[in-house]
Amino acid sequence: GDSVTQMEGPVTLSEEAFLTINCTYTATGYPSLFWYVQYPGEGLQLLLKATKADDKGSNKGFEATYRKETTSFHLEKGSVQVSDSAVYFCALSDQGAGSYQLTFGKGTKLSVIP
Amino acid sequence: GAGVSQSPSNKVTEKGKDVELRCDPISGHTALYWYRQSLGQGLEFLIYFQGNSAPDKSGLPSDRFSAERTGGSVSTLTIQRTQQEDSAVYLCASSLGPNEKLFFGSGTQLSVL
Repeated sequence: GDSVTQMEGPVTLSEEAFLTINCTYTATGYPSLFWYVQYPGEGLQLLLKATKADDKGSNKGFEATYRKETTSFHLEKGSVQVSDSAVYFCALSDQGAGSYQLTFGKGTKLSVIP
Repeated sequence: GAGVSQSPSNKVTEKGKDVELRCDPISGHTALYWYRQSLGQGLEFLIYFQGNSAPDKSGLPSDRFSAERTGGSVSTLTIQRTQQEDSAVYLCASSLGPNEKLFFGSGTQLSVL
């Protein structure tokens, strides 16, 4: 079945540091890939997405590129801020498997310190 | 409403009792999903509704779990004879249609003592 593996946290960075959160996936078909973010006390919200190979999703300074050859969708940001402290979830949607559900990774908690 | 609303926000119950969790999706959203978020386990898919029907209920962990949706709007997730391992945050999400952007509620924190 489909699965998503992301680096385990927690990750602690200083403000303005470079961020990478690794995400790899296995899928039956040709999935769409997503990063969701959960800020403290809030619900999950879509951060960015990519629907085909070599697409780059971007939002709020975060980027992720859909790499089919390495089955990866790593999240990056060049300079993190304290307000980026949250839990980040990588996810995929595989319609080729006949379902519209999202399969999530276990989440990576990011803490940014001033 | 402005967003997906879930109630109650917190529920504490005794082992063996039944509980009902409610989700009010964004108006006009035809797709509705239930997920469970357990500590250290990420999000686990439970069930997907399109309108009032559930074409994918493959994630329901046992026959103690059931869900319904009425009027293409409100959904209720029912857990019968709760067990301690049912303790988790239950999240509801809705979208305009399948494979559209999901909007999540803040969840119901269920604690089974």
